[in-house]
Amino acid sequence: AQSVAQPEDQVNVAEGNPLTVKCTYSVSGNPYLFWYVQYPNRGLQFLLKYITGDNLVKGSYGFEAEFNKSQTSFHLKKPSALVSDSALYFCAVRASGGSYIPTFGRGTSLIVHP
Amino acid sequence: DGGITQSPKYLFRKEGQNVTLSCEQNLNHDAMYWYRQDPGQGLRLIYYSQIVNDFQKGDIAEGYSVSREKKESFPLTVTSAQKNPTAFYLCASSFGTGQPQHFGDGTRLSIL
Repeated sequence: AQSVAQPEDQVNVAEGNPLTVKCTYSVSGNPYLFWYVQYPNRGLQFLLKYITGDNLVKGSYGFEAEFNKSQTSFHLKKPSALVSDSALYFCAVRASGGSYIPTFGRGTSLIVHP
Repeated sequence: DGGITQSPKYLFRKEGQNVTLSCEQNLNHDAMYWYRQDPGQGLRLIYYSQIVNDFQKGDIAEGYSVSREKKESFPLTVTSAQKNPTAFYLCASSFGTGQPQHFGDGTRLSIL
């Protein structure tokens, strides 16, 4: 079985400050990890993925994520938040073998205050 | 531009009525998926399809049906057996294993 936990329903940050959205996962074997962003009444947009290689993954719109195998985490980060980053963020995981169907977390609402 | 098109954007269902949500992709993706999104519950998988003429039930398939007669199309029917159909429905596709999913902009279904 595979699972994802996003422990914070909401994250608040001031514009210009660094932001972190947390994600921990459980999977048998090696994980494929993904972050997506969703704006109101829209579908999810892919931000970045970890398959293998460097633990620090860079993605779209200045976002990056750090894969930590020992802590089974894949936190999303950005050095300087923008008001336009306010949205719903989803972490997803699937095992590198077996079913290719990913499991999504419940989502974290990011609110960036001006 | 390649992408996924879902229609309609808003849909209303009467009691005892079946309704069909459309999903079309021109990305040449083999795999397609239907998710249901409710506030605070993330995405729950309804059905998925790896190839034409084949599909599998997801976690919450009861009250739903699908078909995959063409690679580009994966329509979802919400039947009258689905007693709580009000939700935001998302269709997605992916090229292969380990690849990210591409999502449509959703259909919001409500009960009249």
